[in-house]
Amino acid sequence: GESVGLHLPTLSVQEGDNSIINCAYSNSASDYFIWYKQESGKGPQFIIDIRSNMDKRQGQRVTVLLNKTVKHLSLQIAATQPGDSAVYFCADGIYNQGGKLIFGQGTELSVKP
Amino acid sequence: EADIYQTPRYLVIGTGKKITLECSQTMGHDKMYWYQQDPGMELHLIHYSYGVNSTEKGDLSSESTVSRIRTEHFPLTLESARPSHTSQYLCATRQGGNEKLFFGSGTQLSVL
Repeated sequence: GESVGLHLPTLSVQEGDNSIINCAYSNSASDYFIWYKQESGKGPQFIIDIRSNMDKRQGQRVTVLLNKTVKHLSLQIAATQPGDSAVYFCADGIYNQGGKLIFGQGTELSVKP
Repeated sequence: EADIYQTPRYLVIGTGKKITLECSQTMGHDKMYWYQQDPGMELHLIHYSYGVNSTEKGDLSSESTVSRIRTEHFPLTLESARPSHTSQYLCATRQGGNEKLFFGSGTQLSVL
């Protein structure tokens, strides 16, 4: 079956630096991708999503890049802050197919002051 | 304020007990989901519902059952808990036509 995975299980960055979290997916049919942030003891919180007809989407301090050729997406966080420390998950799915997202193993982001 | 409520937040029980994890939402969403998550690991879909009286099994086999008698309520039941059921259980909702899932804070279950 398909799976979504992240390249690095942990990432440590200095406060103020930019963070890049990577994700690979395997299902060529996936056309919807989403990033979640999960803080300790809480449920995942939506960050940003992107559909396959785009290769870049920007939000507040975050940018998602999608490379369908190599089935890779990344989350960029600008000027990383201590409050960004959390586990980040990517997930993929097929739009309008019941919302059944496939989640990858998270990347733990630690921000050093 | 629209939200997703999961109770209890933490539950420690003995093997063989029957338990029900509650999930209620005031989001007004018709679709609801249960995910299971081990610490630091990915989320696995175990049950979902597209509306009242609709329930389906997810991708990960689970010994739990669910019901959807009311739109806002989607409880998950384990008839006989075992240590292998120890995990975090996350409830989520979604509005039809929008793929974004909204999650509750989860129930951390420990079976001794």
